[in-house]
Amino acid sequence: ETGVTQSPTHLIKTRGQQVTLRCSSQSGHNTVSWYQQALGQGPQFIFQYYREEENGRGNFPPRFSGLQFPNYSSELNVNALELDDSALYLCASSPGQRNTEAFFGQGTRLTVV
Amino acid sequence: RKEVEQDPGPFNVPEGATVAFNCTYSNSASQSFFWYRQDCRKEPKLLMSVYSSGNEDGRFTAQLNRASQYISLLIRDSKLSDSATYLCVVAYNQGGKLIFGQGTELSVKP
Repeated sequence: ETGVTQSPTHLIKTRGQQVTLRCSSQSGHNTVSWYQQALGQGPQFIFQYYREEENGRGNFPPRFSGLQFPNYSSELNVNALELDDSALYLCASSPGQRNTEAFFGQGTRLTVV
Repeated sequence: RKEVEQDPGPFNVPEGATVAFNCTYSNSASQSFFWYRQDCRKEPKLLMSVYSSGNEDGRFTAQLNRASQYISLLIRDSKLSDSATYLCVVAYNQGGKLIFGQGTELSVKP
C-alpha cells in the first residue's frame, strides 16, 4: 500500500455535469500530481500541486482544475463533462517538486454517459 | 511523435523465458528514467529506476543509452506473476511531470 487514497473508486456521470475527485497524499508528501489514463494508453499528466500552488500543467483545457489543501490533500474538478473524459484518474504524491519517486493511489474510474 | 514510445504489445511468452522491452524518448532534456508496472485495472507501481550505468534488481535489468535516447528492460526467467503492463517513464528534474509511454502488455503462460 502506498498510503495514497482516492475517492470515490468508481463514478458514473452524465455529459455536461461536473465532478470532483479527491486524493489524500502519503504522510510527509507535499506534492500531488494528477493523471488521466484512457483505456489502452499510458497516464497523461494533468497538473501538479506543490504546497497549495499549481506547479505545472499538461495539455488539458481549463475545465480541468484543482486545489491542494494545507494538509496536502487535493481535489481534481472537471466541469462540463464530455464522453472522452471517461478514464481512470490517478493521483500521485511525492516528497518534493522534482517527483523523483511518485506513489500512486488506486485511481478513480470515471464513466461519462 | 509521442515523447515516449514503447514496443507495441502484447508479448506472450512461456514461463522461464527471457523478454526484453524497449523504449525511446524524444526530449534530450529528460533527466530521470523509470519502469513502472501496472496490473489490470490497478495503479502503476514503480518497478525500478534506470541509471546510465545500468542497474539490476533480481531478475530485472534496466539499461539507459542517453546518446541514443533509448531505455530497455530485461526480464529473465519469467514468472506467471510477471504478467502485467510495463510502462516506460521519463521525467524532467524541474516541473515534476512524469511522461509515460503507452505501455507494453506482457502475458506469461504456463
